[in-house]
Amino acid sequence: DSGVTQTPKHLITATGQRVTLRCSPRSGDLSVYWYQQSLDQGLQFLIQYYNGEERAKGNILERFSAQQFPDLHSELNLSSLELGDSALYFCASSVWAGDGNTIYFGEGSWLTVV
Amino acid sequence: TQLLEQSPQFLSIQEGENLTVYCNSSSVFSSLQWYRQEPGEGPVLLVTVVTGGEVKKLKRLTFQFGDARKDSSLHITAAQPGDTGLYLCARYHGSSNTGKLIFGQGTTLQVKP
Repeated sequence: DSGVTQTPKHLITATGQRVTLRCSPRSGDLSVYWYQQSLDQGLQFLIQYYNGEERAKGNILERFSAQQFPDLHSELNLSSLELGDSALYFCASSVWAGDGNTIYFGEGSWLTVV
Repeated sequence: TQLLEQSPQFLSIQEGENLTVYCNSSSVFSSLQWYRQEPGEGPVLLVTVVTGGEVKKLKRLTFQFGDARKDSSLHITAAQPGDTGLYLCARYHGSSNTGKLIFGQGTTLQVKP
C-alpha cells in the first residue's frame, strides 16, 4: 500500500459524459501528479500540483482539468469524453518535487468510455 | 523533453534464466529511477541511481548507471514467475517543486514456470 488513495477504481461511462477522479495523497505529501496510461502511449504525464498550486503541465487535453484543494487532495475532471480517453489514470504524490525524490503511485482509476 | 528508450519492449523467458533490460537516452541526467508495475497496480519504485558507474543490487536485481549517465540497465538473475511485470525507467525533469517523472515505454517481462 503506497498510501495514495484513488477513487473510483473502475468507471464505465458513455461518450460525451463527464467524470471526476479523486486522489488523496500520502499524509504530509505536498506534491500531486496525474498520469494517464494506455497500451499504445505508455505512462503520460498530465499535470502536477504543489501545495494547491499548479506547477507543471504535460499533454493534458483542454477537456481535462484538475485542482488541488487546501486539504491537499486532488481531483481530475474529464469532460466530453471520447472513446480514446479510455485508460488507466494514476495519481501520485511526493513530499516535495525534485530530482531523486521518491514519488508514490496510487492503484489507479480504470476509465472505460463506451 | 528528453526521451528514454527502453529495450526490449517484450521479454518472455523461462524460470531460472537471466535477462537484461536497457534504458537509453541521448541526454545526460543527474539520476534515474527504475519502477516495477504489476497488472492492476501503480508503479513501485525499485531503485534510484545517481552516480555515473554506480551499481546497486536488490536481491536478484542488479541496476547499473552508465559512466556517462546517459544509460542504465537492469539485470535479473535466475528470474522467477514473481518477477513478471512491467519494468519502467524514469527520470525527473523540472526544478524546485515543479516537475514531473518522464517514463520510458517500459519492458513487459513474462517469466514462465
